[in-house]
Amino acid sequence: SYVLTQPPSVSVAPGKTATITCGGNNIGSKSVHWYQQKPGQAPVLVIFYDGDRPSGIPERFSGSNSGSTAALSISRVEAGDEADYYCQVCDTGSDHVVFGGGTKLTVL
Amino acid sequence: QVQLQQSGPGLVKPSETLSLTCTVSGDSIGTYHWNWIRQPPGKGLEWIGHVDYSGSTNYNPSLRSRVSVSLDTSKKQFSLTLKSVTAADTAVYFCARLSGGTGSGCFDSWGQGAQVTVSS
Repeated sequence: SYVLTQPPSVSVAPGKTATITCGGNNIGSKSVHWYQQKPGQAPVLVIFYDGDRPSGIPERFSGSNSGSTAALSISRVEAGDEADYYCQVCDTGSDHVVFGGGTKLTVL
Repeated sequence: QVQLQQSGPGLVKPSETLSLTCTVSGDSIGTYHWNWIRQPPGKGLEWIGHVDYSGSTNYNPSLRSRVSVSLDTSKKQFSLTLKSVTAADTAVYFCARLSGGTGSGCFDSWGQGAQVTVSS
């Protein structure tokens, strides 16, 4: 089965740029989606199809995907961005959905 | 704007069956895949399975022997059944809509989540 690997934690100072990676075999050939989850809440889609933003998501959020690594970047990080972030793909061979293990973003 | 409203018991006894329902409002059932996802305490998201508008299903291999997802289009509801539960099934359960198909889709709408505890 397909596996997505995320770092357990990332720390960043306010105003700086945070980058969260998501590794997978030839992930560049897949569409990657990113979710933000705050404590006690349902996840929220923040990036879809590698780099598109849903309406209402700030332009500070962006995504990229190439080779074996996809990435979520958050520029000008704010305290309110502190959350868990998950990447997700569909495994086209099996039509199963796969999530990464999640990354806790801490704003210092 | 689509909304997903979850319902079901929050406490299930070991070896019994967990049942949850998700009611869809604000959009049609058709052309989407309707999913269940869970999150054990302090852990990440785990995809359970989905059903499409035709009733076709697909499940996480780790749960396939115990799980069933079904759709009632007349009520605009889809349901999760998980048999023979143990403490390891204690989690927050989410229903969610997958848009874009099973080849590349994303979850663009989520239910509020329901804590289910397995305990005698």
